[in-house]
This record gives sequence, C-alpha cells and structure tokens, in this order.
Amino acid sequence: DAGITQSPRYKITETGRQVTLMCHQTWSHSYMFWYRQDLGHGLRLIYYSAAADITDKGEVSDGYVVSRSKTENFPLTLESATRSQTSVYFCASKIVGGSNYNEQFFGPGTRLTVL
Amino acid sequence: DQQVKQNSPSLSVQEGRISILNCDYTNSMFDYFLWYKKYPAEGPTFLISISSIKDKNEDGRFTVFLNKSAKHLSLHIVPSQPGDSAVYFCAAPISGTYKYIFGTGTRLKVLA
Repeated sequence: DAGITQSPRYKITETGRQVTLMCHQTWSHSYMFWYRQDLGHGLRLIYYSAAADITDKGEVSDGYVVSRSKTENFPLTLESATRSQTSVYFCASKIVGGSNYNEQFFGPGTRLTVL
Repeated sequence: DQQVKQNSPSLSVQEGRISILNCDYTNSMFDYFLWYKKYPAEGPTFLISISSIKDKNEDGRFTVFLNKSAKHLSLHIVPSQPGDSAVYFCAAPISGTYKYIFGTGTRLKVLA
C-alpha cells in the first residue's frame, strides 16, 4: 500500500542494546523526520532529512543516529538504548511545494520499551 | 526561544456543543500554523492550517483563528462529535528551516 510505514510497531529491548526503527515511504517525499512523543512533551524532533544523504539534528538527538541512503527509507538507530528512550516514535515525511506545503504525513508509530 | 504552548492538557465537551482548543506561541516570526489530530495507536493526521497573513481559516466544522498581536491561535469545532475525541497538537514550522515545533497536545473528549 502507498503511504508511510514503520516497523516494528512494538519493541521491547534491554538497556545497552542497539535498536533500529525502520521507516519507509512510497511517495518519494524529499523531507523525512523522526519524532518522539512523551507525556507532557508533545512531539519532539529527533532528526530530519532534506534528501538522501542529507540529515541534521533536531532538539533531542543525543543517543540516536540516522541514515538516508535512499529517498524512501529513513532508519533511526539507538546506539545503546537507555530507559529514558522508552517512548513512542513517529516517522513523518513531507513534499516541497503544493497547497499544503507545510503538511507532514505521519507513520503509525513504534512503541519502544527499554527495560 | 521558540515555543508553541498548549496550556490545557484536557478538555471535555458535550456532543453538539463547541470545542475550543487553544495554542500560544512565543516567536512572532512564525508565519504558518498547523493543527494535527491524533487517535490512540495512530500517527497524527493533518487537520487544518493557517497562514499568518490570515486571521481565520475554515474547513467544514473546523475553524482556526489567529490573533497575531496576542500570539494566540485557537481551533473551534462546531458541532463537536464523539468521533472528534482525540489529542490535538498545534505546530509551527521555524521560518527558514524545515524544523517544526509542536505543542504538548490537548486531549479532547466529546461526551455523547
């Protein structure tokens, strides 16, 4: 199906392990984003990307890395998971231009629990 | 300091009545605002937006009002329906970047 997908939808891991969350979009949108949602904080930007091989940090990037070798994929890796990274993670994408040029399209989210 | 604030974490409204969700911002350079709606276990979906050159934008039951002098915007839902029960986020892109600032969200509950 067309759209933006995330996998896995649910993940439980242990402190210190490396975890990769996947994001795939079929629209060929240039821009992609990773957010985390935590109670009392809303959505906070972790990393974003303007195109393949162009990425930049958001406000809460410590402990995370991203890559974007292909336009459609934007994986997020937690290098050494900590309990504070327990959260719901959302991937999003957006086009450049158009009538709703600022609208982002979100994936369904990944709920990550770090024990 | 570039913030978007939603000071009401929750709101309950009777079906058929008006729901008013509020959002305040600190950066007068924000030139576009968006509202997103989020159901449990789903990603946010775009609802309505407004440019800073306007003070009102309407789409069906949803209207967003922008008061630039007060740095305040509000989302009105009339009439409210039980299916409107969700978390609503306001957001603003930071001018000159493709970063977005989101508010903390307001959980709306529409009572049947």
